[in-house]
Amino acid sequence: QSALTQPPSASGSPGQSVTISCTGTSSDIGGYDYVSWYQQHPGKAPKVIIYDVSERPSGVPDRFSGSKSGNTASLTVSGLQAEDEADYYCVSFAGSKNWIFGGGTKLTVL
Amino acid sequence: EVQLVESGGGLVQPGGSLRLSCAASGLTFTSYWMTWVRQAPGKGLEWVANIKYDGSEKNYVDSVKGRFTISRDNAKNSLYLQMSSLRAEDTAVYYCANLNNWSFENWGQGTLVTVSS
Repeated sequence: QSALTQPPSASGSPGQSVTISCTGTSSDIGGYDYVSWYQQHPGKAPKVIIYDVSERPSGVPDRFSGSKSGNTASLTVSGLQAEDEADYYCVSFAGSKNWIFGGGTKLTVL
Repeated sequence: EVQLVESGGGLVQPGGSLRLSCAASGLTFTSYWMTWVRQAPGKGLEWVANIKYDGSEKNYVDSVKGRFTISRDNAKNSLYLQMSSLRAEDTAVYYCANLNNWSFENWGQGTLVTVSS
């Protein structure tokens, strides 16, 4: 199964909003509401910031939000802050207890 | 505080074997599916395998089927990944994580596996 498709890079100025897309198929994103997003800073382990398409774990700022339409999921970061600069990965359940990641998006805060 | 601590990584020759371990604390280990995720140097994340809370079900990405075996010892709160017939493309940092709410909730710091002659 091919990785989910994410843009390699995204950027925005402090205070702005940026949206990162994650495109799959009807066998993964389109078939299940089990999309999650992860933030990874250099040299660190990933951290979940969105699960079940749009739910935020406790402690994650409400500046992070998720949505899904058809085979595409999206992560929006509002009110960009310097510490949001990181790599972001989407993941979807793909049936048969398998999981598929996106290729990752490097977010730069200008 | 949940802690997942991986160990067992290192340098291994192509065709060789290695066993990774993940020691869990701060969570009810027997309540969670556990998973291994890897990240090749400078690359993205890839799901490798997962195992049901009682070990009765195991799933693998196609590229490791028949070569890797995931297991767990609930009495020791530990997760394992036995890797054999290793290839250069298996070189990566291997993370363990618990599955909760259909997401990878907590992650370890990772252990580096390098396959090279």
